[in-house]
Amino acid sequence: NAGVTQTPKFQVLKTGQSMTLQCAQDMNHEYMSWYRQDPGMGLRLIHYSVGAGITDQGEVPNGYNVSRSTTEDFPLRLLSAAPSQTSVYFCASRRTDSGANVLTFGAGSRLTVL
Amino acid sequence: GESVGLHLPTLSVQEGDNSIINCAYSNSASDYFIWYKQESGKGPQFIIDIRSNMDKRQGQRVTVLLNKTVKHLSLQIAATQPGDSAVYFCAEKGETSGSRLTFGEGTQLTVNP
Repeated sequence: NAGVTQTPKFQVLKTGQSMTLQCAQDMNHEYMSWYRQDPGMGLRLIHYSVGAGITDQGEVPNGYNVSRSTTEDFPLRLLSAAPSQTSVYFCASRRTDSGANVLTFGAGSRLTVL
Repeated sequence: GESVGLHLPTLSVQEGDNSIINCAYSNSASDYFIWYKQESGKGPQFIIDIRSNMDKRQGQRVTVLLNKTVKHLSLQIAATQPGDSAVYFCAEKGETSGSRLTFGEGTQLTVNP
């Protein structure tokens, strides 16, 4: 099993550019989510999905879009990048059955917006 | 060595010593707690979890203690090794927060040989 795979690992954008961070998992997890990690602020939830066709906002959703067309994939889109979106982004997944709380994280995608 | 609070402190210990990393949480309705380890340049990895109906749970070289009275969680690492050097995060999940985990800011553990 590859687990949770994120691409790209590094990306530099100019303000106003758009891009998509890719996330794929091969564990048949229903739940998938995106976090951003900033110094001194821990992990903050951006968007999450409890299954294909279902998405919802987390703590910091502004400036980001998501979709969930398949169980395996959960891309994160930045439509018009801003310097405030410079961060490390983590995708995470887990099962949704009772008692399944442990998230499996990807290796992260470091984004710099100039 | 010990650390306190949700801000990112640094804890430095000698190899072979026991480490204690502390975490205070604010939601008295939280019913599930989890510790993650994050090595430099990697994603967080699950270490151990505990439900609110327990006050102690042990794993391999790690123990989590939960004190619901004072809303305090700690991670004890026995015989700390250089490979334990990482940032450690606690996270909590409340009864009413659905599927969301709320993460603390982390503690940087440095193990000196």
